[in-house]
Amino acid sequence: LAKTTQPISMDSYEGQEVNITCSHNNIATNDYITWYQQFPSQGPRFIIQGYKTKVTNEVASLFIPADRKSSTLSLPRVSLSDTAVYYCLVGDIRRRRGSTLGRLYFGRGTQLTVWP
Amino acid sequence: DAGVIQSPRHEVTEMGQEVTLRCKPISGHDYLFWYRQTMMRGLELLIYFNNNVPIDDSGMPEDRFSAKMPNASFSTLKIQPSEPRDSAVYFCASSPGQTRTEAFFGQGTRLTVV
Repeated sequence: LAKTTQPISMDSYEGQEVNITCSHNNIATNDYITWYQQFPSQGPRFIIQGYKTKVTNEVASLFIPADRKSSTLSLPRVSLSDTAVYYCLVGDIRRRRGSTLGRLYFGRGTQLTVWP
Repeated sequence: DAGVIQSPRHEVTEMGQEVTLRCKPISGHDYLFWYRQTMMRGLELLIYFNNNVPIDDSGMPEDRFSAKMPNASFSTLKIQPSEPRDSAVYFCASSPGQTRTEAFFGQGTRLTVV
């Protein structure tokens, strides 16, 4: 089961771009890379998913190098409300019985604190 | 759709009592996950179902924990007997699967065992 490593915490100021990098050296060929966001007292919320190269949506961008052993979540112009824990995951829900690779494994995440 | 619905939101019980947590997934989702979150251990996957069938329960801590999914719209996680170390926030999540890794989480049940 591919695990991930990401910084425990990061600080930023309002209006800045924040980049959180995650390493996943043992990523499998069929694994996707996903980022979730969690606010206190709430369940995690899906932000973005990618397989390779770059993916962008209305919330964030995800950069994935060719070897896929790492990924970077980019949050443009953060605000105070972006203060949360950000989780990097690799995997694919669609696995079959007998395989443990169908899990969604959450590491400890990165606590992002945005200051005024 | 109202999203994933969990009940109760808060539960306080005495050690040794049976606790049942409930989850209603989003209609049409084929996958259902139960997670437990604590400060010490973070988010742990306990068990997940695909089409109401348990696929992987290797995260269930011990025999005191059991989970069922009698139909596509309902799942329970039961702890019997409960212990103080079971105190945590329990999350249920569901996913359509086609999006590979996108799951929708409920608001969680905060369990306190005294």
